[in-house]
Amino acid sequence: GIQVEQSPPDLILQEGANSTLRCNFSDSVNNLQWFHQNPWGQLINLFYIPSGTKQNGRLSATTVATERYSLLYISSSQTTDSGVYFCAVDKAAGNKLTFGGGTRVLVKP
Amino acid sequence: NAGVTQTPKFRILKIGQSMTLQCTQDMNHNYMYWYRQDPGMGLKLIYYSVGAGITDKGEVPNGYNVSRSTTEDFPLRLELAAPSQTSVYFCASSGGRGPGGELFFGEGSRLTVL
Repeated sequence: GIQVEQSPPDLILQEGANSTLRCNFSDSVNNLQWFHQNPWGQLINLFYIPSGTKQNGRLSATTVATERYSLLYISSSQTTDSGVYFCAVDKAAGNKLTFGGGTRVLVKP
Repeated sequence: NAGVTQTPKFRILKIGQSMTLQCTQDMNHNYMYWYRQDPGMGLKLIYYSVGAGITDKGEVPNGYNVSRSTTEDFPLRLELAAPSQTSVYFCASSGGRGPGGELFFGEGSRLTVL
């Protein structure tokens, strides 16, 4: 099956800093989503982005499908950005998603 | 609009017991999913459904069963619970495939098998 690798595994940021999270996948995909799991375990969909670039407030994401990677940018980080960020993909356009191992982010005040 | 609702939120089972995790969604989504998340890991797909009466296996279906009699409900049954089934279970739904097919998750059900 498709492999999904996320880097870095852990990230510690000072509040206000910017960061980039990376997701590499081993095969072509038609569905890529980014999720944030907050410290209470709740999973929130951030982006549906099989290709191109999207922005939502301080977060933005870019997927370069031909090179099999996606990037999630966090700007002006806040303590509420803490948690685990997951990238998930599906070869088809459905939601039988394969998840990466996540990037654990801690934003310090 | 409650979204995706799971019950119970916490449960402790003894080895060999059975139970059902309930999941209901009020968004009229055709697609529903069950994932499990082991500590420190990403999620793995157990079962999914593309509509009432249609279910199929995901990556880790052994030890579980599902049914989909209505659009709203997608219960997950654990038969003969084993310690390896200790995990957090997430139900999710989506409105379709492609753009607009974002996945929405419930709050999770934490299951411990002792």
